[in-house]
Amino acid sequence: DAGVTQSPTHLIKTRGQHVTLRCSPISGHKSVSWYQQVLGQGPQFIFQYYEKEERGRGNFPDRFSARQFPNYSSELNVNALLLGDSALYLCASSAARGSKWDGYTFGSGTRLTVV
Amino acid sequence: AQTVTQSQPEMSVQEAETVTLSCTYDTSESDYYLFWYKQPPSRQMILVIRQEAYKQQNATENRFSVNFQKAAKSFSLKISDSQLGDAAMYFCAYRRENTGTASKLTFGTGTRLQVTL
Repeated sequence: DAGVTQSPTHLIKTRGQHVTLRCSPISGHKSVSWYQQVLGQGPQFIFQYYEKEERGRGNFPDRFSARQFPNYSSELNVNALLLGDSALYLCASSAARGSKWDGYTFGSGTRLTVV
Repeated sequence: AQTVTQSQPEMSVQEAETVTLSCTYDTSESDYYLFWYKQPPSRQMILVIRQEAYKQQNATENRFSVNFQKAAKSFSLKISDSQLGDAAMYFCAYRRENTGTASKLTFGTGTRLQVTL
């Protein structure tokens, strides 16, 4: 079975540009979450989507947006890139079933470098 | 807001020995989950062990076990018979038990574990 897949694996962008990161969850998982991990720190929650609706948002500026598609894949968009946006962006999927949460499976991330 | 603190930036252990990684957290909730994740150089966050707060018994997974002290809000990870493959960043994480669909994890800053021969 394929795990959580993220693309691209590495990306270099210039300040002010826009970037789109992609995530495909494990088959059958309907929830996708995004995390930002700056070098030397723990991951920080950005967004969670479930059934194509935003279910949670972390303390990130409006330059960050996301969406989830009918096949449950997801995109994370960041506009007007800043040097401080350089980080590893992790995607995690889970199969939330009502009140029962089954846990996360993480992808290997996209390493974004802003120059 | 919930916070997770890992006070050991780096730890070192000899192969086959035992090491304990520390984690404390702050929450006003009574129902929650605690986790230890391992992040090797491959970058993927791998679940090591999970503890539900309502369970008094400490979780164990093979060579990995936890010491969960709910009143003290402490959640340490013990790795027995350490192996070279255990070398990685280890993150402690917290999640409220709430709606089931909003499952935000709050992570600590991590502990880098080195395993020496």
